[in-house]
Amino acid sequence: QVQLVQSGAEVKKPGASVKVSCKASGYFFTGYYIHWVRQAPGQGLEWLGWISPISGGTNFAQKFQGRVTMTRDTSITTAYMELSNLTSDDTAIYYCAREHYYDISGSDYWGQGTLVTVSS
Amino acid sequence: QSALTQPASVSGSPGQSITISCTGSSSDVGSYNLVSWYQQHPDKAPKLMIYEDTKRPSGVSNRFSGSKSNNTASLTISGLQAEDEADYYCCSYADGSFRVFGGGTKLTVL
Repeated sequence: QVQLVQSGAEVKKPGASVKVSCKASGYFFTGYYIHWVRQAPGQGLEWLGWISPISGGTNFAQKFQGRVTMTRDTSITTAYMELSNLTSDDTAIYYCAREHYYDISGSDYWGQGTLVTVSS
Repeated sequence: QSALTQPASVSGSPGQSITISCTGSSSDVGSYNLVSWYQQHPDKAPKLMIYEDTKRPSGVSNRFSGSKSNNTASLTISGLQAEDEADYYCCSYADGSFRVFGGGTKLTVL
């Protein structure tokens, strides 16, 4: 069965970086984009960007350009999202989600979410 | 990359129908048949309910339907049930291969 399993909760200080992993299983890893979406406490969903598992190409929301890095390791079917220069506004649950590479058909499987807390 | 506009809340009684709107622009909703809708219950990950404006994934109740006119997409839920109470988000493909979400709508089943 398809699964996206994310790394555990993180607590970071302002100015630090955080790296979240997303382990995919049960499907052809290179056949799907991995999107990263976050949700601040009590707020809505916010798209950060995607990575192409085939090429490693990325595309980020303008708000996060220069501060976000997305990578993948196809040998272990894992995607990573790193966010730098953290502030309290980055406190949120971060989700990974897959989307078919050729059909922009929405994200049918999501990870369980990783809570990132930024606090001094 | 402005967020899509959704009503903050809607409500309906069991058995009734409700519609949630999602307004974008010619850079996203109006130019592509690529709006998706997600249902999110408290402390849960979002669940895909509609994709490509009108299509339902396997396993999603046919009480959920999607439509679109110009720059506004809509999600209609018919025969409201208590378990439909949740937050709903629209998401659109946008110019530059970006994605943009709506602000979310809280559905209350009275």
